[in-house]
Amino acid sequence: NAGVTQTPKFQVLKTGQSMTLQCAQDMNHNSMYWYRQDPGMGLRLIYYSASEGTTDKGEVPNGYNVSRLNKREFSLRLESAAPSQTSVYFCASSEAPGGEQYFGPGTRLTVT
Amino acid sequence: SQQGEEDPQALSIQEGENATMNCSYKTSINNLQWYRQNSGRGLVHLILIRSNEREKHSGRLRVTLDTSKKSSSLLITASRAADTASYFCAASGGSNYKLTFGKGTLLTVNP
Repeated sequence: NAGVTQTPKFQVLKTGQSMTLQCAQDMNHNSMYWYRQDPGMGLRLIYYSASEGTTDKGEVPNGYNVSRLNKREFSLRLESAAPSQTSVYFCASSEAPGGEQYFGPGTRLTVT
Repeated sequence: SQQGEEDPQALSIQEGENATMNCSYKTSINNLQWYRQNSGRGLVHLILIRSNEREKHSGRLRVTLDTSKKSSSLLITASRAADTASYFCAASGGSNYKLTFGKGTLLTVNP
């Protein structure tokens, strides 16, 4: 089992460019999450999907969109990247909402 | 907000010593979880304690929960250099069970 995989691992964007971060899990989990981690800020929830077919905003959703493509995959899209979105992005999944979460290795994004 | 807040922000100890980290949260919870993050890596789940539990053990880890004080502690016994990492608490509560993470405690275990 690969667990939770994320692509790409690193990305540099110019302000205004768009990109999609991909996440997939092979544990048959129902719930999936996107977080960002900034120095001194801990993890902040961007969007989550409690189950296939549903998505909800987290703490910091502005500037992002998500798609729960199927039970395995949950993507995060930046439509017009801004320097404030420079961060490390983590995808996670859990069997059910509120359960232990399994994290991917992260995507380090820099917006110049 | 269910936010967990860890204390201290940083802790440096010698190998073999015990390490204690504390977490406080603001409102009622369903469960509280502890995670570890090695530098540059994703978080790894350590232990989950439910709101009706007071203490839980897993190997060298001991977690306590005091819902009256809205606080939890993580004790790592007989620490090793490999325990060097950041440790986060995360509170799950409300109807949507979202996890809210604290800012973490950076633990350094010196050989």
